[in-house]
Amino acid sequence: AQSVDQPDAHVTLSEGASLELRCSYSYSAAPYLFWYVQYPGQSLQFLLKYITGDTVVKGTKGFEAEFRKSNSSFNLKKSPAHWSDSAKYFCALEGTGGNNKLTFGQGTVLSVIP
Amino acid sequence: GGIITQTPKFLIGQEGQKLTLKCQQNFNHDTMYWYRQDSGKGLRLIYYSITENDLQKGDLSEGYDASREKKSSFSLTVTSAQKNEMAVFLCASSWLFYAEQFFGPGTRLTVL
Repeated sequence: AQSVDQPDAHVTLSEGASLELRCSYSYSAAPYLFWYVQYPGQSLQFLLKYITGDTVVKGTKGFEAEFRKSNSSFNLKKSPAHWSDSAKYFCALEGTGGNNKLTFGQGTVLSVIP
Repeated sequence: GGIITQTPKFLIGQEGQKLTLKCQQNFNHDTMYWYRQDSGKGLRLIYYSITENDLQKGDLSEGYDASREKKSSFSLTVTSAQKNEMAVFLCASSWLFYAEQFFGPGTRLTVL
């Protein structure tokens, strides 16, 4: 079984601050990990993914994420945050073996105050 | 680039009614997916299809049927609509394996 947990339902910070959205996963083998963003009124958009190799991956819109096998985490980071980053962020896991099945976390709503 | 189209944008039905949602993609992607997004929650996979005429059940397939008769299209049928199924249904597509998924704009289902 595979699962993803995003423990923070809401995160609020001021523009210019650093943001870090938490994601932890449970999976018995090496996972493939993704972050997606959903802006208000829009559908999901891909931000970045970790498949293998460097544990820090960079994505679109200035975001990056660090894969930490030791504590089963894949936290999303950006500095500085901009008000336009306000959105809902989803972490997702695909199991190895190419089953194409994504398991999503509950999502974190990020509010960046100008 | 490509696009995913979902029809209709809003779907209203009666409890117990059979309802069909449609999705088209022009990326030429192999794999297509149907997710349900309940208000304030994450996405749950209903069905996915690796290729034409292939169907794989997700975690939430009970009460749904799917059909993939062409590579570019993927339909989802709610077999007997229930009030607790009111949600936004998202279609997505991707290349095979570990690839980013591209999402459509969604169909919002209301059950009266």
